[in-house]
Amino acid sequence: DTAVSQTPKYLVTQMGNDKSIKCEQNLGHDTMYWYKQDSKKFLKIMFSYNNKELIINETVPNRFSPKSPDKAHLNLHINSLELGDSAVYFCASSQHLGETQYFGPGTRLLVL
Amino acid sequence: SQQGEEDPQALSIQEGENATMNCSYKTSINNLQWYRQNSGRGLVHLILIRSNEREKHSGRLRVTLDTSKKSSSLLITASRAADTASYFCATVMGYSSASKIIFGSGTRLSIRP
Repeated sequence: DTAVSQTPKYLVTQMGNDKSIKCEQNLGHDTMYWYKQDSKKFLKIMFSYNNKELIINETVPNRFSPKSPDKAHLNLHINSLELGDSAVYFCASSQHLGETQYFGPGTRLLVL
Repeated sequence: SQQGEEDPQALSIQEGENATMNCSYKTSINNLQWYRQNSGRGLVHLILIRSNEREKHSGRLRVTLDTSKKSSSLLITASRAADTASYFCATVMGYSSASKIIFGSGTRLSIRP
């Protein structure tokens, strides 16, 4: 069974569109994260939720809105996509904030 | 330099040799984590070392932490072709809403057969 899963795996879309990426973890963890990995492989945290509560909210354009319907799910909605949003987005979870993280396989977003 | 900066950026060694990667950081940390990322895949956790620990082992992996120098090293002994990957350190600072998690830029390790 996959511990942290993301859908879709690939996402190709036009500038200006709105898209969502879904993430689910079956590890029973309290904390979930969203990361962005750019073309140079630099990984930057975007958000962190702990028990459905937003804990970490880095400087991210407000076009990005995370939503956590329950502690096993953390979805990422992106409005008005821009070329610079092209990247790989990783979801992760950990038992508690700042502990060992388990990463999903990533969603490769390409904005044309 | 940035928090969680790694060196070298790239490392190529012969199979069977040891590989050492370093991570330096600037501010006090709660813990430091090492991850491996194979090409096109997600990150896989290797070792977490807390600020009050100096050394941890896991199989062929050895991690050290020197809080006075604000640095950590990851040693992979008897390297194998399957160790070819990028390796990242992540530093965790602060608590609750003041938490910061910062990943280094990574070391690309290539193992030559």
